[in-house]
Amino acid sequence: EVQLVESGGGLVQPGGSLRLSCAASGFSFSTYALHWVRQAPGKGLQWVSSISSGSSSIYYADSVKGRFTVSRDDAKNSLFLQMNSLRDDDTAVYYCARVDVWVQLDCWGQGTLVTVSS
Amino acid sequence: SYALTQPLSVSVALGQTATITCAGYNIGGKNVHWYQQKPGQAPVLVIYRDTNRPSGIPERFSASNSGNTATLTISRAQGGDEADYYCQVWDGSTGWVVFGGGTNLTVL
Repeated sequence: EVQLVESGGGLVQPGGSLRLSCAASGFSFSTYALHWVRQAPGKGLQWVSSISSGSSSIYYADSVKGRFTVSRDDAKNSLFLQMNSLRDDDTAVYYCARVDVWVQLDCWGQGTLVTVSS
Repeated sequence: SYALTQPLSVSVALGQTATITCAGYNIGGKNVHWYQQKPGQAPVLVIYRDTNRPSGIPERFSASNSGNTATLTISRAQGGDEADYYCQVWDGSTGWVVFGGGTNLTVL
């Protein structure tokens, strides 16, 4: 069974840092691109970042560029999102998702909640 | 940057057909994907590459894409179809994934 499990969310003060993890199982992790998508409370889906297989292509939404860093460890079947200089508007549930050939997000984790508040 | 526009809400009578639109410049030239999200749950892919259903998605879900509008159609709507629906494309010029704002479907 294909599975993605996020962890690392929590409460952090503005300006603080947090590192999210996404553990994958049930598929050949190294051959897939992976994305982070977030959803603020009561709001829609917002794409955050993507990383290709082999980490050769990495993209960020303008709202997080320069503050967030995506990475992957294929040996550990894990995806990461290092989030620095966090702001109130970064508060959201963060999902990791696997991407298939047509850039459809065909498998999602259950999400991890990040709350930025003083 | 590329933008997708969806209606905020759509209502449909039980057993009737619901139509959700997704507007974007020349969206017919892109691959459009659709997701269903129920409260408290992660999104689920229901349509990929304009018209294709992943395994396990009922045939009641169909879609089309042409010109500046993509459309998700849900036939014989059921109470279990109540959810938020999002369209999504990939913007090759930036490498970004773009989501529509989402449409809340109510089954009356």
